[in-house]
Parts: sequence; structure tokens; C-alpha cells
Amino acid sequence: DGGITQSPKYLFRKEGQNVTLSCEQNLNHDAMYWYRQDPGQGLRLIYYSQIVNDFQKGDIAEGYSVSREKKESFPLTVTSAQKNPTAFYLCASSTGQGHSPLHFGNGTRLTVT
Amino acid sequence: AQSVAQPEDQVNVAEGNPLTVKCTYSVSGNPYLFWYVQYPNRGLQFLLKYITGDNLVKGSYGFEAEFNKSQTSFHLKKPSALVSDSALYFCAVRLIPSNTGKLIFGQGTTLQVKP
Repeated sequence: DGGITQSPKYLFRKEGQNVTLSCEQNLNHDAMYWYRQDPGQGLRLIYYSQIVNDFQKGDIAEGYSVSREKKESFPLTVTSAQKNPTAFYLCASSTGQGHSPLHFGNGTRLTVT
Repeated sequence: AQSVAQPEDQVNVAEGNPLTVKCTYSVSGNPYLFWYVQYPNRGLQFLLKYITGDNLVKGSYGFEAEFNKSQTSFHLKKPSALVSDSALYFCAVRLIPSNTGKLIFGQGTTLQVKP
């Protein structure tokens, strides 16, 4: 079955540590996205990539970094510079065509204490 | 600024009754419109989309949505609610043309269907 796999499902870290969230897709999609979800705020775009070796900042990129070395993979690093990293992180992909929907993974819940 | 509004944080309906979850948008130009559903601790699942044409679009699980250009709305509807429809619903827009494919989401509406 084609889909998007995010791992791990739950992640706990101490303040000051960097942490990397994994996102892999086997849908052969060109475009990939990272969103952050907080209660009552909907989804906010962190980074997106339309093609391998290229990515752009979204609305809340500060304190995050990404890479896109392979079409299938778009890992997100939450750095110690992110002031409020505890959240639910969602990865998505699409064909990149205008009317195609985003396909989402099941998310990673990150808790930083 | 481009935005999507879901004016109700929560909608409560009785099983078997019709349901409506409201969405309005403020964007320049004509957007593509989407509805997604999210169950607890899961990702978002695509329900339906409006591209062009008929203002009433049908989607998964018996849901439909009505596009109203003059009111810039895209309300989600279902004729007869099920308890299993209880979830968090998101409306989203994509601007046309889009070089990025990114979606702008509303803040979400929790649907509670009571037996």
C-alpha cells in the first residue's frame, strides 16, 4: 500500500536537544510538506519542498531545519532554537499539481521538557 | 492576507440529523477548496474538493460540500449524521495559480454526534 510513514509516533526530549522527525513516502510524489498542529490553531506550515534538493520556508520556519536529499524522504529537525517545540507534527505529500489533495502521515507527537 | 475561517469551534448534532460544518475564506482570486477529517492522534484524511463546475461536490463517507462564490463559503454537509462521524474537521484552500501547492487551513471544528 502506498502512503506516508512518520516515525516515531511519540518522541520525548529534554530542552536544549535537537531532534529529528522522520517522514518517508512511497507515493512517488514530488512535493512534501511539514505542518505543525497546536490545539485551536489549525495547521501551520513549517517547510515545504517541491523537488529534490530544494525546499522553502513556510510561515513558522524559525527553529526548524529540513533536507530533501531523496524524493522519498523529508526529515525535519527541531532545533534548540525553537522556543515552544512541544506539538503534533504532520508530514504531507502531493503530486504538486494544483488541484491534487495533500496526503498526510499519522503524525509525530513531540514533547520537550 | 489570505485566510480561512471556521466560525464554530464545536458542532453538536444528534445521530440521524443533518449536519453542517461552516467554512468561509478570504483570498485574492479563485481558490481550490478542500475538506479534511482528523481522528484523535492521527493524520488528516481527505474528504472532498471543489475545483470548478457544479457547486455541490460529493466526497467520502456520504459527505458533501456546497460552494458559494458570492458568500465565499464552502460548508460541509451530511444528510444523516453517524456517531462515527465525530471527529475534527478542517477546511483548506489552495490559491490559483499555485507554485507551491501548499494549503492554508482553518482552525478546525470539532463535530460531536450524540446517539
